[in-house]
Formats: sequence, structure tokens, C-alpha cells
Amino acid sequence: EVELVESGGGLVQPGGSLRLSCAASGFTFSRYWMHWVRQVPGKGLVWVSRINDDGSSTRYADSVKGRFSISRDNAKNTVYMEMNRLRVEDTAVYYCVRDMDTSLVGDSWGQGTLVTVSS
Amino acid sequence: DIQMTQSPSSLSASVGDRVDITCRASQSISRSLNWYQQKPGKAPKLLIYAASSLQSGVPSRFSGSGSGTEFTLTITSLQPEDFGIYYCQHTYMTPSTFGQGTKLEIK
Repeated sequence: EVELVESGGGLVQPGGSLRLSCAASGFTFSRYWMHWVRQVPGKGLVWVSRINDDGSSTRYADSVKGRFSISRDNAKNTVYMEMNRLRVEDTAVYYCVRDMDTSLVGDSWGQGTLVTVSS
Repeated sequence: DIQMTQSPSSLSASVGDRVDITCRASQSISRSLNWYQQKPGKAPKLLIYAASSLQSGVPSRFSGSGSGTEFTLTITSLQPEDFGIYYCQHTYMTPSTFGQGTKLEIK
């Protein structure tokens, strides 16, 4: 069974940094692209970033470009999101999502981790 | 970025009803359209991908149709467990974007 477990969320001050992790199991992690999608509580879904299977290619939403960095460790079956220069508007639940087949379709989602940026 | 607009924003229907939710794209996206269901406090769940392909394990009362700029998610014979918020998503290009959601309540 596919399982994605996010961790690393919490309360951080504006301008601060946080590192999210997503531990994957139940599938051959190194064969899949991975994404991060966020959702402000009570609001809609917003794609944030994706990384290809070997980590050689990454893409970002304009709103986080230059501040967030996605990476992965295929030996540890884990994808990361390094978040720097955090803003109040980055407050959201962050979901780790498996890409079905490089089609950008998210076929498995983690339970999410809440990031709160506030002074 | 491609804008996705869903209608209605909310609806209430009875068990056994047929429900249609529409999603429109601001430009043609071929058939690169997916549908998700989200229940309170839970992660979204993929229902339909590539406009009309049913994700494994999803009941056959869910179906999708459309191409280009207009798409429809249909639920035939609505069940009590079908409440939640439904989102469409295009995957035609990066960035992928989602519709604003349609909240479905069971009468």
C-alpha cells in the first residue's frame, strides 16, 4: 500500500526557515516524480513544486521561486522541501503527492503538515 | 497560467440524485483534466484523470467527460458518502492549477 507521511511543519516567524520531509513507502520511490501542493485552511489547492525521479529536474510556482527548494534522497525514499524567507501568505497545509506517471496527476497524497508563519 | 473555473460553487442533492459539476479552462487543455474529492480534514483523493479515466478503486457512479475547455464530473445515484468538496485540476502544462472547488452536501 502506498503511504506518504509528511513531517516538519510548525510555527515559524516571518523571514524564517523550515524543512519539510515526506517519507514514502509501499512503492518504488525512485521511479516516480513527486510534488508538493499546499492548501490554506478552508481554501483551495495550489501546486507548489515538483521534482523528477532522479532529482535532476525541478519546477516551482512563481510564488515560491527563489525561496523554496525541493530535493529528494532515493536511498531514504524521502522528498524534502526547504522553505526560506517565509511569508505570512505561505501559511498552509502542505501535501506531498506522488505523480501517477510524469503526467502531473497526483494519484497518492500524504495527510499533510501544517506550516504557520506568524509573529 | 491557465485559469480553472468550476460551477456551481456549492450544491445540495438527495441520495439517488444525479449530480453534474462543470469545470471550464481559460484555454484549451485537450483532455488533461482531473477530478479530486476532498473530505473535511483529509487529503484530496483522485477520482478521474485524463478527463474520463476512472482511477482504480473509485466507484463506477463517478464519470468524467469533456475536452478542450469544458469538462463535467457526473455522479449518478448519489450516495451519502459522496459529500465533500470536488476540485478539478488541469495538467496540460506547468504550473498545474486547480478550480476553486464545488462543495457537495447531501440533503
